[in-house]
Amino acid sequence: EDQVTQSPEALRLQEGESSSLNCSYTVSGLRGLFWYRQDPGKGPEFLFTLYSAGEEKEKERLKATLTKKESFLHITAPKPEDSATYLCAVSSVYKLSFGAGTTVTVRA
Amino acid sequence: NAGVTQTPKFQVLKTGQSMTLQCAQDMNHEYMSWYRQDPGMGLRLIHYSVGAGITDQGEVPNGYNVSRSTTEDFPLRLLSAAPSQTSVYFCASSDAGVAYNSPLHFGNGTRLTVT
Repeated sequence: EDQVTQSPEALRLQEGESSSLNCSYTVSGLRGLFWYRQDPGKGPEFLFTLYSAGEEKEKERLKATLTKKESFLHITAPKPEDSATYLCAVSSVYKLSFGAGTTVTVRA
Repeated sequence: NAGVTQTPKFQVLKTGQSMTLQCAQDMNHEYMSWYRQDPGMGLRLIHYSVGAGITDQGEVPNGYNVSRSTTEDFPLRLLSAAPSQTSVYFCASSDAGVAYNSPLHFGNGTRLTVT
């Protein structure tokens, strides 16, 4: 059975303090790994898709990387507006499995 | 662009009542789906549709029905509400579906409480 585990559950950062979120997965035949951002009271918003080990994608202060067993979302010099819950999801054939998310709070 | 629109935003039901959660998208997406989100758990797929007239069950379909008569609309019906169905429900759509790694576009959710 496909499994996605995100850690930590919560992360409190000072503005400018870089950190990383982890998404570890077990899946039979990875077709893609997705990162989404979810603000309170809103639906998830798509950030990245990664397809193969070694791939990296960047968007502003966010950088996602992928290995054969896990993905990292690096937040460089975060700002308060980066506060959100970040969700990881993996797809295998017709199924998309989500992790429970990491809630990031960035204090000014 | 409105994207994916869900109504209502909040709903309180009593055990045994039925209701329909509405979802509409204006992006001409073929694939639509319903998820529920519970604290400490990942989003779980309830039902999905790959086009008008075609629906299928997801991971947690019991107690829910769907239909897809048009490309734009994908309502979710709760047949007889139970406290275990208290959750936040999200509708999502994409142009080509999960099988093609097409990113999902989510609505802003319906928060349902069953007492």
